[in-house]
Amino acid sequence: AQTVTQSQPEMSVQEAETVTLSCTYDTSESDYYLFWYKQPPSRQMILVIRQEAYKQQNATENRFSVNFQKAAKSFSLKISDSQLGDAAMYFCASAGNQFYFGTGTSLTVIP
Amino acid sequence: DVKVTQSSRYLVKRTGEKVFLECVQDMDHENMFWYRQDPGLGLRLIYFSYDVKMKEKGDIPEGYSVSREKKERFSLILESASTNQTSMYLCASSLGQGFNYTFGSGTRLTVV
Repeated sequence: AQTVTQSQPEMSVQEAETVTLSCTYDTSESDYYLFWYKQPPSRQMILVIRQEAYKQQNATENRFSVNFQKAAKSFSLKISDSQLGDAAMYFCASAGNQFYFGTGTSLTVIP
Repeated sequence: DVKVTQSSRYLVKRTGEKVFLECVQDMDHENMFWYRQDPGLGLRLIYFSYDVKMKEKGDIPEGYSVSREKKERFSLILESASTNQTSMYLCASSLGQGFNYTFGSGTRLTVV
């Protein structure tokens, strides 16, 4: 089985600043994918960013980027120019045949 | 816009009742999943299905069963609801391995 660890239950960031959410994973699969999902108070899980493990280049989506360190099995999410709408629970996930989710990081954005 | 629809946003049921949670997707996805979400525990997989009439146990299947009679519909059944099944239940679907999950908006179930 795979495990995904998010060691920061809560984080906060000032509006317009940058924040990094940590995630480590453990997998025995050679072919896998990594994801970050956002869950706002509406409860709808929304895909933030996706990374194929075989790609060395870090994925980016507008203000969201990842730092993927395959050897260290680390997959952190960087949010630049934080906005109030970024406040949510963020889940890291590792996917081979199945998805495995971390326990989440609650992000607060301070105006 | 693709969708996964869960029939109820909130449910309150009594201990011992049989409970059905319905999930429908309109994307022709093969794979469908049921998770429960609890604070501090993240999302835990209950059951999943890769095809019609096919089901596989996830990490926490005890006390649950599922039904997938049609490709678009995946039902989660609590045979005899108990208070420890009070939780948020999330349904998801995907096109296949490595593809993004599309989630429903969740059903918050309270068993009293």
